[in-house]
Amino acid sequence: DAGITQSPRYKITETGRQVTLMCHQTWSHSYMFWYRQDLGHGLRLIYYSAAADITDKGEVPDGYVVSRSKTENFPLTLESATRSQTSVYFCASSEGLAGLSYEQYFGPGTRLTVT
Amino acid sequence: AQKVTQAQTEISVVEKEDVTLDCVYETRDTTYYLFWYKQPPSGELVFLIRRNSFDEQNEISGRYSWNFQKSTSSFNFTITASQVVDSAVYFCALSEAWVTGANSKLTFGKGITLSVRP
Repeated sequence: DAGITQSPRYKITETGRQVTLMCHQTWSHSYMFWYRQDLGHGLRLIYYSAAADITDKGEVPDGYVVSRSKTENFPLTLESATRSQTSVYFCASSEGLAGLSYEQYFGPGTRLTVT
Repeated sequence: AQKVTQAQTEISVVEKEDVTLDCVYETRDTTYYLFWYKQPPSGELVFLIRRNSFDEQNEISGRYSWNFQKSTSSFNFTITASQVVDSAVYFCALSEAWVTGANSKLTFGKGITLSVRP
């Protein structure tokens, strides 16, 4: 299916476990992003990637690791999950051209609960 | 640093009323982009509009209209004749134009929860 998908959609894990959230897009967009959404905070950028093998930190990167070996995939790993990482995680992608800023298209989200 | 303020946190209206959602932004850049997204109860984020800082023309799309005023750093969103299906959380967002790889980094406001009652 075309678009941007995330898996799993729901995940419950225990404190200290490693968790990887997957994101896949079929548009060949250059840019990909990870956000977390928490009540009272709106959406906050965790990491983003301008292209394969190029990633950079966003506003709240601590405790997260990303990689991007292929243009279409952008996994987010919580190396040692903490309760404060309980959140809804959204992946997004957009085109990218110098001097312009395109709209981002979001995946359906992953609801992660850390117990 | 960029900042987006959506001072209204919750708005409740009766169907067919008009409603305006306010968005005020702060940026030091002369070139930037503004966005609105809708998040219905199902949870997905839906893109509504993108506007660059050089285009101050108001935009209308069906029952939706947007008023961009650089003089007051505002990008307000009006829904005319609201419907129950408009019930959602609405986010305003700001992005600087690409300079050194910062393309499309969005700074979101905290969102406005709109409830439209039948």
